[in-house]
Amino acid sequence: QKEVEQDPGPLSVPEGAIVSLNCTYSNSAFQYFMWYRQYSRKGPELLMYTYSSGNKEDGRFTAQVDKSSKYISLFIRDSQPSDSATYLCAMRPGGSTLGRLYFGRGTQLTVWP
Amino acid sequence: DAGITQSPRHKVTETGTPVTLRCHQTENHRYMYWYRQDPGHGLRLIHYSYGVKDTDKGEVSDGYSVSRSKTEDFLLTLESATSSQTSVYFCAISEPGTSGPPHRDTQYFGPGTRLTVL
Repeated sequence: QKEVEQDPGPLSVPEGAIVSLNCTYSNSAFQYFMWYRQYSRKGPELLMYTYSSGNKEDGRFTAQVDKSSKYISLFIRDSQPSDSATYLCAMRPGGSTLGRLYFGRGTQLTVWP
Repeated sequence: DAGITQSPRHKVTETGTPVTLRCHQTENHRYMYWYRQDPGHGLRLIHYSYGVKDTDKGEVSDGYSVSRSKTEDFLLTLESATSSQTSVYFCAISEPGTSGPPHRDTQYFGPGTRLTVL
């Protein structure tokens, strides 16, 4: 079993829809949680960063972490065609800031006009 | 791409040949990383560096070596390329921080190198 599980999709929604992307994990030591967005043939770019449990909102994006369930989510409101990309969840344990990020496989999202 | 360049951006080579990929950063970040990205596996860490001449193995380091002689450059070498090393390779950088904005210890990625081993 991979330490981070993410449904690869693909997910296809109409413009304006609310999108929900999710990851589950098995390592209770994970403390820092990130969402990266990756456009085709580009490097991943950091979208959201959260520490421990709770919600964080940034414009149309909301990240949620539920450590009791080992479950994280990214919500995209009023989705736009420009949101079409692959979304990768990533996480790491607390303590040292050095070392490996644990990634999900990514969910491919298409928002059609 | 946070002041990170990778070269070459594309390479086709033959099995058994040595290959070196270069990552160059202008951010003066201490930590640098090499990942590979493959369908069905996501991003996997190959090697990382925590300073000049200080490197360590990641989860898929077999067949790869790295060197870091300057803060700004991190080289990934495939000593004898195999078809299983066909992949997209990403370099990432981060700056450690125990206080201040959380983004200080977040990894930022370069544009990637697409390597094909025939």
